[in-house]
Amino acid sequence: DAKTTQPPSMDCAEGRAANLPCNHSTISGNEYVYWYRQIHSQGPQYIIHGLKNNETNEMASLIITEDRKSSTLILPHATLRDTAVYYCIVGKEYGNKLVFGAGTILRVKS
Amino acid sequence: DAGVTQSPTHLIKTRGQHVTLRCSPISGHKSVSWYQQVLGQGPQFIFQYYEKEERGRGNFPDRFSARQFPNYSSELNVNALLLGDSALYLCASSLPTGNYGYTFGSGTRLTVV
Repeated sequence: DAKTTQPPSMDCAEGRAANLPCNHSTISGNEYVYWYRQIHSQGPQYIIHGLKNNETNEMASLIITEDRKSSTLILPHATLRDTAVYYCIVGKEYGNKLVFGAGTILRVKS
Repeated sequence: DAGVTQSPTHLIKTRGQHVTLRCSPISGHKSVSWYQQVLGQGPQFIFQYYEKEERGRGNFPDRFSARQFPNYSSELNVNALLLGDSALYLCASSLPTGNYGYTFGSGTRLTVV
């Protein structure tokens, strides 16, 4: 499984967009980019995933560069409840294990 | 719909003892995975089961074992507990087809003293 690199922590003002970067330069052609987040003392929560194209759902948007070596998770209007550890994971499609790194601690501040 | 449920939520065991953790997946989910999360680190993959068969195993000693039942619920067993086994144990379930991501339970917090 390809390895990912994320900044250890980021701050964001409440109501502003939170942009969380992830580098995955060794991603292979059939590997997806997945994002999960973990709020303190809870299990990880699936956010979004993508292969090549940008993706958007009710929680977030995922922007993947054309060469697929990096991606950005965008929370369009961050709230205090978005404070969590965000994990960027690269892996093959459904059915494979998730390899978690250290993630990015996002602190949303009022 | 009920999410992934795990029991117990917390427990304390003594070194050398055995522990069994339980997981009930979301209805319709046939795949169950187990993860260990030590404080300050990301979850680490332990096992994956699908249709009662082991699909994958992480780098954990043989003291760790698991099984999946006909109703797709699962148990994780850990023998000869060590202090280092203290962690949050997470169960995740997923649909048999499609790429919808995993749904995690809230975990079982195991403390070994």
